[in-house]
Amino acid sequence: NAGVTQTPKFRVLKTGQSMTLLCAQDMNHEYMYWYRQDPGMGLRLIHYSVGEGTTAKGEVPDGYNVSRLKKQNFLLGLESAAPSQTSVYFCASSPTGYYGYTFGSGTRLTVV
Amino acid sequence: DAKTTQPPSMDCAEGRAANLPCNHSTISGNEYVYWYRQIHSQGPQYIIHGLKNNETNEMASLIITEDRKSSTLILPHATLRDTAVYYCLRTGTASKLTFGTGTRLQVTL
Repeated sequence: NAGVTQTPKFRVLKTGQSMTLLCAQDMNHEYMYWYRQDPGMGLRLIHYSVGEGTTAKGEVPDGYNVSRLKKQNFLLGLESAAPSQTSVYFCASSPTGYYGYTFGSGTRLTVV
Repeated sequence: DAKTTQPPSMDCAEGRAANLPCNHSTISGNEYVYWYRQIHSQGPQYIIHGLKNNETNEMASLIITEDRKSSTLILPHATLRDTAVYYCLRTGTASKLTFGTGTRLQVTL
């Protein structure tokens, strides 16, 4: 029972490079989320999805794009990375949107 | 605005009860209160949730005041492994949870 798996766990990017973070869940959850967490801060919602084929903006969506082509996967893309996007990124899934969020272990991204 | 107010930090001696308060004075009647915790740099972990009745599970108890404007998470016998940041959240609107900065609980010997 893997739960929520994030790939990769660590990455260093140069300014202007692009990359995609993958989140996969095996719990058949409808809802999926991408959060970022900066040092000493709480989690801030980037984008979320309430079902396959749907996406919505969260609190800090600028500079990110997402896709939910398959129910079990939620991809977060950075088209042109900036140092301000250095952060730890957490993916989460939920069966209801409120109850029982399951979080992944995080992706630590550094943009130099 | 689906925000809650928590003290930034608290200390608790190991073996004692840890009582973590949360203010959610603008909560509406159908909003739940949720508690999660984050240990070190791991992803947040669900603890407990409630609407208006007190709740208890194997991890903690949740006490919600009658007017629902505040709640308290109780860890009955805190251990060093309970040292973490504890987040109190409310449902708000739409299908998402908004995290604040939480309470950093330090359990000491």
